[in-house]
Amino acid sequence: EVQLVESGGGLVQPGRSLRLSCAASGFNFNDYAIHWVRQTPGKGLEWVSGISRDSGSKVYADSVKGRFTISRDNAQNSVYVQMNSLRPEDTAFYYCVKRGPAADRYFDYWGQGTLVTVSS
Amino acid sequence: QSALTQPASVSGSPGQSITISCTGTSTDVGGYNYVSWYQQHPGKVPKLIIYDVSERPSGVSNRFSGSKSGNTASLTISGLQAEDEADYYCSSYTSTYTYVFGTGTKVTVL
Repeated sequence: EVQLVESGGGLVQPGRSLRLSCAASGFNFNDYAIHWVRQTPGKGLEWVSGISRDSGSKVYADSVKGRFTISRDNAQNSVYVQMNSLRPEDTAFYYCVKRGPAADRYFDYWGQGTLVTVSS
Repeated sequence: QSALTQPASVSGSPGQSITISCTGTSTDVGGYNYVSWYQQHPGKVPKLIIYDVSERPSGVSNRFSGSKSGNTASLTISGLQAEDEADYYCSSYTSTYTYVFGTGTKVTVL
């Protein structure tokens, strides 16, 4: 069974940093790109960032570019997102999502999410 | 990276068919056959129901179907059932190697 388990969320002051982790299991982690998608409570989905299988490609939404850094450790079956210079508008549930196989461009499995609250 | 445009709400009676539109541009929806749709029930995680414009993952009801014309993709739910009441989001791959989601549509079964 595919599982994606996020951790690291919490309450943080504006301007501070936070690092989210995603632990994956139930599939060959090395073969899949992993992305982060966020959702403000009660609102819509926003794609945040993604990393290729071999970490050779990393992409970011304009809203987080220069502030967030995605990385992965294939030996640990884990993906991370380092979030710096956090803003109140970054407050959201952050989902770790698995992309479909090979050249596919959809998200077939989602974690349960971790809540990040940016507030003073 | 502007969100794709979806109607805020769509409603229908049980047994009816409804269609949700998802409008983008030539750099996302219109440029690729990489439109996907997600269903999200309250308090739950989004679930993939359509990928590559019109493909259904294993286990998803054939009452869900997708299509695309130009810069607009559509999700049709036929034989509407109470369990279909949820939020629906479209998503597309884009020309900048990123992804964009739609604004979301709340489906109400009357």
